[in-house]
Amino acid sequence: EAGVAQSPRYKIIEKRQSVAFWCNPISGHATLYWYQQILGQGPKLLIQFQNNGVVDDSQLPKDRFSAERLKGVDSTLKIQPAKLEDSAVYLCASSLDGGQGQETQYFGPGTRLLVL
Amino acid sequence: AQSVTQPDIHITVSEGASLELRCNYSYGATPYLFWYVQSPGQGLQLLLKYFSGDTLVQGIKGFEAEFKRSQSSFNLRKPSVHWSDAAEYFCAVGGAYGNKLVFGAGTILRVKS
Repeated sequence: EAGVAQSPRYKIIEKRQSVAFWCNPISGHATLYWYQQILGQGPKLLIQFQNNGVVDDSQLPKDRFSAERLKGVDSTLKIQPAKLEDSAVYLCASSLDGGQGQETQYFGPGTRLLVL
Repeated sequence: AQSVTQPDIHITVSEGASLELRCNYSYGATPYLFWYVQSPGQGLQLLLKYFSGDTLVQGIKGFEAEFKRSQSSFNLRKPSVHWSDAAEYFCAVGGAYGNKLVFGAGTILRVKS
């Protein structure tokens, strides 16, 4: 079974530029998550989708971050404009349903972003 | 609010020695608890999870963890560490609904030969 795919794997940009990340979840998984992992910290949930609806975006900095999940499959996360503190690894994960707490989340390899 | 504390930032053990990684959580209801491992440049892989039943859970790669409600802990153990276990380990807590996970800051495990 194919895992969660993410691209690009690495990105370097200047502050105030924009950047977008792409995620393709495991086939059939209804729920998709975007996490931000700053160096030395654990992953922090930015946004959770169930199918193409947003379940939780309480920690998404909405003045500069946006995310969409068209047709309930692939998702993109965008940052515009980027700040130095956005340097982090952006992890995408998916789970089969998302309505039950014991479900396993499967993580992609992440996109490492460096903002200069 | 949920929170997870992993008191040890780094741990170094000798190959073949036993391992225990500590995790303490704060959660207002029955917690769902997870241990993930992250190798350099890789995503997180689930080692094991607890949500009910036997408080000692077995996972992949020979790992186990014990849920102790009275101590709000979910420590990860392995009787004999292999060099390939060197990685970063994350403890996470979630609730019964919605599947939102809160992660600890992680413990980096180094294995010396």
